Amino acid sequence: GAVVSQHPSWVICKSGTSVKIECRSLDFQATTMFWYRQFPKQSLMLMATSNEGSKATYEQGVEKDKFLINHASLTLSTLTVTSAHPEDSSFYICSGGLGQETQYFGPGTRLLVL
Amino acid sequence: AQTVTQSQPEMSVQEAETVTLSCTYDTSENNYYLFWYKQPPSRQMILVIRQEAYKQQNATENRFSVNFQKAAKSFSLKISDSQLGDTAMYFCAFRTSGSRLTFGEGTQLTVNP
Repeated sequence: GAVVSQHPSWVICKSGTSVKIECRSLDFQATTMFWYRQFPKQSLMLMATSNEGSKATYEQGVEKDKFLINHASLTLSTLTVTSAHPEDSSFYICSGGLGQETQYFGPGTRLLVL
Repeated sequence: AQTVTQSQPEMSVQEAETVTLSCTYDTSENNYYLFWYKQPPSRQMILVIRQEAYKQQNATENRFSVNFQKAAKSFSLKISDSQLGDTAMYFCAFRTSGSRLTFGEGTQLTVNP
């Protein structure tokens, strides 16, 4: 299957700072990537669809000014959590896929905001 | 809107035995894809198996197989010869071509020695 990497795997930051998470497709090109958020023992919640060369599409209730997404190339999408607060602490996962069917997931990023 | 339902929040099975995880979905689409993903304690999402709706034959991948009932909108996962490494959260997911994935709430499977 296709390989997706995420960096960093975990991050601790102070409240009010910004954190950038990178999602890379290592062996394929992805015109579309997806960003999810997951709380413990819960399912994945889609935050936004990242489109290469255009604006991201955000799900209802997700603040686009707080969760900035940039998809500048076919192998890289970034999620920036701006002015992070403790309630933003979560597990963030990205995915990308070959063609239109199967999505492959990155290993996730654990964010803890103090 | 599509929905995916996993009615079993938790299940357990003895090592080497067989277990079946249930999943039902609701859609008005005719062409779509169904998936089972596994999320072990590392939290890495791993594709277990996928099924194209236009295929009548049930997908199999080694010890993993599905029972796809299109008319009933049911997509269960059978794990044979369960191993300790199968302990994980299992998510059923649905997708039409080019669209987002819709996940079920997950089933936590524990394989006991």
